[in-house]
Amino acid sequence: RKEVEQDPGPFNVPEGATVAFNCTYSNSASQSFFWYRQDCRKEPKLLMSVYSSGNEDGRFTAQLNRASQYISLLIRDSKLSDSATYLCVVKNTGRRALTFGSGTRLQVQP
Amino acid sequence: EAGVVQSPRYKIIEKKQPVAFWCNPISGHNTLYWYLQNLGQGPELLIRYENEEAVDDSQLPKDRFSAERLKGVDSTLKIQPAELGDSAVYLCASSLDGGGRLPPSGANVLTFGAGSRLTVL
Repeated sequence: RKEVEQDPGPFNVPEGATVAFNCTYSNSASQSFFWYRQDCRKEPKLLMSVYSSGNEDGRFTAQLNRASQYISLLIRDSKLSDSATYLCVVKNTGRRALTFGSGTRLQVQP
Repeated sequence: EAGVVQSPRYKIIEKKQPVAFWCNPISGHNTLYWYLQNLGQGPELLIRYENEEAVDDSQLPKDRFSAERLKGVDSTLKIQPAELGDSAVYLCASSLDGGGRLPPSGANVLTFGAGSRLTVL
């Protein structure tokens, strides 16, 4: 089983739609969580961190459920520019490097 | 401020040939990472340096891959000899510390370079 698992998609949604991605992680001792965004043929870039209490940044909301070991990302009012791959990222206790999921591809259509 | 700089951006070689990639991290970032990314997959860690010390190279295929970070700044990743399965994007990233801490100040997150795309024929 992979440490970090995501639905690869693609998620095809119309502009203005709300879309949610989930990600599960296997190590219950994982301590930090992030969402990175990767545009086609570009490098990953930090989208947002995921805090235990949940956090929001504009149209983006991240949630963490430690009991069920999953992280979610909600995008409201989708824009064409949101089309990208969203990578779920976890930092495990004892490992300083981040572990990336395979990513979920989002395609927002006009 | 310049970001993480990598070269070359693209490299095409025949199998069994050697290849080297170079990375210049963000100034002041003490931790440097090499990740490998295959098409449709997330980045996978090859090696992590804290200053000039390789502190996590458990995923580096040491029979053909080597890396160094002289003086704790620039780093090179070498493959010799290359195999067909090595075709991928090699991403370099840097962070101010070990990375992965919650970044209320915006620090302590991974910043990636644009990557070096390797094609082995």
